[in-house]
Amino acid sequence: EVQLVQSGAEVKKPGESLKISCKGSGYSFTSYWIGWVRQMPGKGLEWMGIIYPGDSDTRYSPSFQGQVTISADKSISTAYLQWSSLKASDTAMYYCARLLVGATTNRFDYWGQGTLVTVSS
Amino acid sequence: DIQMTQSPSSLSASVGDRVTITCQASQDISNYLNWYQQKPGKAPKLLIYDASNLETGVPSRFSGSGSGTDFTFTISSLQPEDIATYYCQQYDNLSFGGGTKVEIK
Repeated sequence: EVQLVQSGAEVKKPGESLKISCKGSGYSFTSYWIGWVRQMPGKGLEWMGIIYPGDSDTRYSPSFQGQVTISADKSISTAYLQWSSLKASDTAMYYCARLLVGATTNRFDYWGQGTLVTVSS
Repeated sequence: DIQMTQSPSSLSASVGDRVTITCQASQDISNYLNWYQQKPGKAPKLLIYDASNLETGVPSRFSGSGSGTDFTFTISSLQPEDIATYYCQQYDNLSFGGGTKVEIK
């Protein structure tokens, strides 16, 4: 069974750093892209970026380029999303999802349960 | 960048009603469109991929159609468990539409 299990909720202060995780199981972790999606309180879904754990090829949405860093450790089947200096506006739910890529298809077919990040002084 | 315009932003319908949501792309995206359902407090779930293909295990009352710039998502007979927000997603750059919140009247 394919599963993506994310790390737990975080409460941080502005300016602090943070790294959240997404551990994949039940499939070949190195053979599928993993994406991160932000959902701010009461708002819609925003794609942040994707990483291919097999070679760490990473692509960012222009809206998030330079704002976050996506990485992966294929030895432990885990992808990461990190911030070097959090802002209050980073308060959101963050989802990881597996991206199924084919010749004529791209779709997020499995999702993690989400990690709630709260940034408040 | 391709922009996706989803409408309506919310709707209220009765159990058993036919519900239709549309998504319009700013340029031709062929059939490169997915639909997701997000129930309150839950992660999104893939329902329809490549505009019209039903994901495994998804009830047949859900369907999708369209190609090019205009796409439609339909619930043929609304059920109480369908209360959710629905999002389209084009996969040229993976961006999502703004979402449609579906409520029971």
